[in-house]
Amino acid sequence: DARVTQTPRHKVTEMGQEVTMRCQPILGHNTVFWYRQTMMQGLELLAYFRNRAPLDDSGMPKDRFSAEMPDATLATLKIQPSEPRDSAVYFCASGPTGPEKLFFGSGTQLSVL
Amino acid sequence: TQLLEQSPQFLSIQEGENLTVYCNSSSVFSSLQWYRQEPGEGPVLLVTVVTGGEVKKLKRLTFQFGDARKDSSLHITAAQPGDTGLYLCAGAETGNQFYFGTGTSLTVIP
Repeated sequence: DARVTQTPRHKVTEMGQEVTMRCQPILGHNTVFWYRQTMMQGLELLAYFRNRAPLDDSGMPKDRFSAEMPDATLATLKIQPSEPRDSAVYFCASGPTGPEKLFFGSGTQLSVL
Repeated sequence: TQLLEQSPQFLSIQEGENLTVYCNSSSVFSSLQWYRQEPGEGPVLLVTVVTGGEVKKLKRLTFQFGDARKDSSLHITAAQPGDTGLYLCAGAETGNQFYFGTGTSLTVIP
């Protein structure tokens, strides 16, 4: 079964440290999304790529967050410096162009102390 | 940001009962999806509806897209403990941007 792979599954870090989350989208999918999920806000769209080009990152705090796709098999989400309010589950999802559906990874549970 | 509101937010029912979850928005979407999420995992797609008024069935689950493509409902018949999870609707705009609803947490008690 093809699936979206996210690493790490869990990350505990201290405030001020850099955090990098990685995502391998499903081969052949050319849209990639980053979402953040919290109890209070639900699933929030952070960034969205098509064919590796960023189309929308308006949901992302620009001063500390950055999202990139160095190649078609890797998407990264970085937080520098991290803050306790960044604690959440971060999901990557990929999808094929045309059919409107998303396939999610298992997420990265981030705790910033 | 498009706002998709789901109701109820929490639902706890006995096995065998029926239930309906609603997803409402003031925006028109090109399509709407329903996902189920279990603890520790990402959401898993259940169904996509595209046409206003469309009804799709997936075993005991019935999904309906509103005529104006602004709202949707999910009806579960004879709920089972395996149906327990977080149900999320997601609206897609042209260009494949997806906005998720607030979620309905369903617990089915054996």
